[in-house]
Amino acid sequence: DAGVTQSPTHLIKTRGQHVTLRCSPISGHKSVSWYQQVLGQGPQFIFQYYEKEERGRGNFPDRFSARQFPNYSSELNVNALLLGDSALYLCASSWTSGSTDTQYFGPGTRLTVL
Amino acid sequence: AQKVTQAQTEISVVEKEDVTLDCVYETRDTTYYLFWYKQPPSGELVFLIRRNSFDEQNEISGRYSWNFQKSTSSFNFTITASQVVDSAVYFCALSEVEYGNKLVFGAGTILRVKS
Repeated sequence: DAGVTQSPTHLIKTRGQHVTLRCSPISGHKSVSWYQQVLGQGPQFIFQYYEKEERGRGNFPDRFSARQFPNYSSELNVNALLLGDSALYLCASSWTSGSTDTQYFGPGTRLTVL
Repeated sequence: AQKVTQAQTEISVVEKEDVTLDCVYETRDTTYYLFWYKQPPSGELVFLIRRNSFDEQNEISGRYSWNFQKSTSSFNFTITASQVVDSAVYFCALSEVEYGNKLVFGAGTILRVKS
């Protein structure tokens, strides 16, 4: 079975632009979470969705938004990009958003903001 | 508040040496889960293990073993007879039942295994 997939792999944008990152969960998984990993740090939680509803939001500005589609894939949108948004964006999927379900991660999208 | 501390920023060992990666956590919950993930240069986080707060039994899986001690709030990871392929960044993470399976990660430990 395919794991979590993310697209694109790499992305270069300039300050002020908008970006959309995409994630497809493992087949059967209904929850998707997004994490931001700045170079040299651990991943930081951004959003979690389960059954198309937001189940959690981390400490990120309103420039960050996300949604989940009926097929359980997800998009992360970032508006008005700043240099500090340069990071590896990781998507994780799990059966549910419950505490007993392990999250499995995709390969990430590396975003560079110039 | 949830917090995970990995005090070792980087560890270098020679192949076949044993190495232990330290993880200390903080939580106010009585029910929580602890994780270890491996991040090779490719960037993908690879799940290694999950333990719940009620199970303090140590676990061994091949060359990997984990030592969970609630008394010291630690969940350490040992690799026996390290290999070059073990070179990666290793992350310890915590989730609390109150927050579902949202993960709080430590800063990670870079492990370099030299041949």
